[in-house]
Amino acid sequence: AQTVTQSQPEMSVQEAETVTLSCTYDTSENNYYLFWYKQPPSRQMILVIRQEAYKQQNATENRFSVNFQKAAKSFSLKISDSQLGDTAMYFCAFLLSSGSARQLTFGSGTQLTVLP
Amino acid sequence: GAVVSQHPSWVICKSGTSVKIECRSLDFQATTMFWYRQFPKQSLMLMATSNEGSKATYEQGVEKDKFLINHASLTLSTLTVTSAHPEDSSFYICSARVPAADTQYFGPGTRLTVL
Repeated sequence: AQTVTQSQPEMSVQEAETVTLSCTYDTSENNYYLFWYKQPPSRQMILVIRQEAYKQQNATENRFSVNFQKAAKSFSLKISDSQLGDTAMYFCAFLLSSGSARQLTFGSGTQLTVLP
Repeated sequence: GAVVSQHPSWVICKSGTSVKIECRSLDFQATTMFWYRQFPKQSLMLMATSNEGSKATYEQGVEKDKFLINHASLTLSTLTVTSAHPEDSSFYICSARVPAADTQYFGPGTRLTVL
């Protein structure tokens, strides 16, 4: 079974600064996807970024980028130029690439607060 | 990204009544949809996986007779909470997987309050 660990329950950052959220996972599989989702106070889950394990290049989406270290099973999210709208709960998630019963495995989440 | 709608966004009902929640994929066909439950300040807990045209697969500990799931078309899945009780009060979220991208998109959620 896969597990996802987010060791930072809460974090804060000043507006316009950079912050990094940590995520580690455990799996014996080689082919999988990793995701970061954000859940703002509206509670709508929003996909932030997606990484395919076979790709060495780190995924980026505007101000959001990841540091994917496959050997270390680490998948951190970096938010640059933090904005007030980035305040949300952030969930790291894992998905196997194949298999009959594939489902997202979520971490426990990190509550990020961007301070004005 | 793909859009998933969920209706209603909130519902209040009396104990013993049934409530139906709809989940629709608006701009793609989803052979697989998922239903989650989320308690305050916690992660999402998968309740069941809904496959179009077949019976849903429920997670351990989830009562399939209480949480009825129907996935009758490639764009619609429904969750019916039967004989609801106050302990069923929660935030329910549906999700649909875009097959080509192998990525899940989420509905906005439904807050259920059972009095």
